[in-house]
Amino acid sequence: NAGVMQNPRHLVRRRGQEARLRCSPMKGHSHVYWYRQLPEEGLKFMVYLQKENIIDESGMPKERFSAEFPKEGPSILRIQQVVRGDSAAYFCASSPAGGNTGELFFGEGSRLTVL
Amino acid sequence: GNSVTQMEGPVTLSEEAFLTINCTYTATGYPSLFWYVQYPGEGLQLLLKATKADDKGSNKGFEATYRKETTSFHLEKGSVQVSDSAVYFCALGLNTNAGKSTFGDGTTLTVKP
Repeated sequence: NAGVMQNPRHLVRRRGQEARLRCSPMKGHSHVYWYRQLPEEGLKFMVYLQKENIIDESGMPKERFSAEFPKEGPSILRIQQVVRGDSAAYFCASSPAGGNTGELFFGEGSRLTVL
Repeated sequence: GNSVTQMEGPVTLSEEAFLTINCTYTATGYPSLFWYVQYPGEGLQLLLKATKADDKGSNKGFEATYRKETTSFHLEKGSVQVSDSAVYFCALGLNTNAGKSTFGDGTTLTVKP
């Protein structure tokens, strides 16, 4: 399966715990994006990364949230000290480098539930 | 800034009915326009796209035409099926910053047999 792979698909955490969500982009893609979908709402951009660089994090909450895309391995979205309002579906998307029309390729999402 | 406004849902239709989901946008530059579909419990999949004015995107019986004069990209299908029940998102993307695509809030379509 050469698609965007996200894990875990479902994650349950208690308030105050940490959540780590992983994303492996499509083969040959070097750009990764994270989006959040709150219940009954659309997708909101969070962060755009290339290998070892954060390009645009204008959609990331200022506290508790961080993202990385290391030279080796998947991109990780990390949420520290989770609160109930963090419950959402987190989608990763990827795109190839250069010359692209803006099309994104999405993973199936990680659904975080905070108890 | 960029924005996408799409028809509010939910939309409920009978099988074989005609579907229109309206989408309008505002953007700086020359965006590409997309419709994505999200089936229950799944991620988004590209349904169709158009990269310049007057282009028509089509797939699986769905169509949308990029209208620069009305800044619109309305989704249409002549005869919907139960399997088309999903959430549909209109989006615009700029090739200068692809990942920061702007999405509409989504329109939930339910097709009843």
